[in-house]
Amino acid sequence: SQQGEEDPQALSIQEGENATMNCSYKTSINNLQWYRQNSGRGLVHLILIRSNEREKHSGRLRVTLDTSKKSSSLLITASRAADTASYFCATAFSGNTPLVFGKGTRLSVIA
Amino acid sequence: KAGVTQTPRYLIKTRGQQVTLSCSPISGHRSVSWYQQTPGQGLQFLFEYFSETQRNKGNFPGRFSGRQFSNSRSEMNVSTLELGDSALYLCASKQDSNQPQHFGDGTRLSIL
Repeated sequence: SQQGEEDPQALSIQEGENATMNCSYKTSINNLQWYRQNSGRGLVHLILIRSNEREKHSGRLRVTLDTSKKSSSLLITASRAADTASYFCATAFSGNTPLVFGKGTRLSVIA
Repeated sequence: KAGVTQTPRYLIKTRGQQVTLSCSPISGHRSVSWYQQTPGQGLQFLFEYFSETQRNKGNFPGRFSGRQFSNSRSEMNVSTLELGDSALYLCASKQDSNQPQHFGDGTRLSIL
């Protein structure tokens, strides 16, 4: 069963705009991770945020984590057409338990 | 470092057959996990191997099995294939606990 639920399911924006995707989960976690998947390819790891962290940045990506609300958000600033992909959040109960993925947000960036 | 390599990339089988998929992890990674991805169910965890031992197992029937070799390479086997087994099978490796997983490009299995 899915632990993380991304919102929205699909998002379409113009190049240069910001894209925000949200993830909610149900149980306590050790860490939360965001991945990107281009059509027909494997997943690419973007950011890992631990339960004691509130915000992380990587280039144009910003991830926040609110453990009290059991939610996370991924912000992509100044979107490019190459950002078009599906984005998944995944949670881990502990360091050695399996990742549980949400169903993803399909992002389309229109040039 | 070379990434995670999965072979074959595409496979077509018929119902009742069995199939073996292969995964070579990133050098130095001892944990290998397998996932099934379908449009309806999304990404579902199959199993994880660490140092040749199954460390975690998802909720899949016994027709799905796997193993890991001493060089960390892993194989998964599906016996008595069903139409519903059509999916993208993804392998991922990681170095240690609390580390991100690195995925291969998957094997797309189609059952006729």
